[in-house]
Amino acid sequence: NAGVTQTPKFQVLKTGQSMTLQCAQDMNHNSMYWYRQDPGMGLRLIYYSASEGTTDKGEVPNGYNVSRLNKREFSLRLESAAPSQTSVYFCASRPPSPMNTEAFFGQGTRLTVV
Amino acid sequence: GDSVTQMEGPVTLSEEAFLTINCTYTATGYPSLFWYVQYPGEGLQLLLKATKADDKGSNKGFEATYRKETTSFHLEKGSVQVSDSAVYFCALSFNQAGTALIFGKGTTLSVSS
Repeated sequence: NAGVTQTPKFQVLKTGQSMTLQCAQDMNHNSMYWYRQDPGMGLRLIYYSASEGTTDKGEVPNGYNVSRLNKREFSLRLESAAPSQTSVYFCASRPPSPMNTEAFFGQGTRLTVV
Repeated sequence: GDSVTQMEGPVTLSEEAFLTINCTYTATGYPSLFWYVQYPGEGLQLLLKATKADDKGSNKGFEATYRKETTSFHLEKGSVQVSDSAVYFCALSFNQAGTALIFGKGTTLSVSS
């Protein structure tokens, strides 16, 4: 029972490089989310997908794009990485309303942009 | 907009001390409330939750009561252990499809023996 799986776990990029963070869940959840975690800032929502085929911006979407490839997978792309995007990125998923249960989180991707 | 405010850390305690981490929220409506815990180098795990006023969530000796009148969801534990050292996040969410959880900034707890 894998839950939410993120790849890679660690990554170092040079400024201007691009990369895609992968996320997959095996719990048949409708909703998926990308957060970033920075010291003193808590978790801030980057993008979310309420269901397959839909995506919406969160609090800090600039510099990112997302793709909801299918119900299982939700990827986050950095087109031109900047040092300000150095962070820990978490993917999460939730079952559909009205269950209103908690979100389930992946182990995170630790990204450093130099 | 909706938001969560937690007491700032770090909180440093000796083993077996009493723990309180304050959490208050601002929301239009009646959200569900959560406490998550993050151990070093790991992702977030749900610690406990409450979905309506006066509900008490509990797990692993931790408790929190949903207080609508004070818009609070304070986390408590009667006797902390070294293994409780972690970052604790308070969060809220509404029961609508796709709604994201809104997190506080987190409180770091360090317990020494």
